[in-house]
Amino acid sequence: DTAVSQTPKYLVTQMGNDKSIKCEQNLGHDTMYWYKQDSKKFLKIMFSYNNKELIINETVPNRFSPKSPDKAHLNLHINSLELGDSAVYFCASSQGPGGDGYTFGSGTRLTVV
Amino acid sequence: AQSVTQPDIHITVSEGASLELRCNYSYGATPYLFWYVQSPGQGLQLLLKYFSGDTLVQGIKGFEAEFKRSQSSFNLRKPSVHWSDAAEYFCAVGNSGGYNKLIFGAGTRLAVHP
Repeated sequence: DTAVSQTPKYLVTQMGNDKSIKCEQNLGHDTMYWYKQDSKKFLKIMFSYNNKELIINETVPNRFSPKSPDKAHLNLHINSLELGDSAVYFCASSQGPGGDGYTFGSGTRLTVV
Repeated sequence: AQSVTQPDIHITVSEGASLELRCNYSYGATPYLFWYVQSPGQGLQLLLKYFSGDTLVQGIKGFEAEFKRSQSSFNLRKPSVHWSDAAEYFCAVGNSGGYNKLIFGAGTRLAVHP
């Protein structure tokens, strides 16, 4: 039973399209995150939600809009996709501030052509 | 601001050899420190973590790490590497107060020769 699951695993799309990535966790955690891993494997936080409330927004272009319908779900919608958005996007969750560490999903590889 | 440096981009060791992956952090107070491993095409798995107390922490898969405040380091070690340990290793630091945003190092890619 997957703890943090993301769909889809792969996403290939054209520039200018709009796409969404879904994330669900069954760990009962109250905090969820989106991270972006670039081609050099560098991981950078994008957003964090706690109990459906946005608590971290790291100067991400407003083409990226996270939505948390409940504390078990955190989706990422991307408008007007650009070549530079190609990356692996990881969802993660933690209990509270994350002092025990995060549990990561397996990632969504987004390729914009 | 918090930051993490992993000086070694790529390390190659022979199977059965010992391993040490370096991590240096920058943080004003006592940090939360983590090591994660990422196998190809996979997400990140937590190996071990340090908050306080004993500076030598044990993790999964036979890994350990030692927190050295004087050196701002949290190096990962394993006495005998197995071929299955080949992966990308990430050190991360989180703040000890308020909501965390883990800051990751750039990663160290470990290759294991038979």
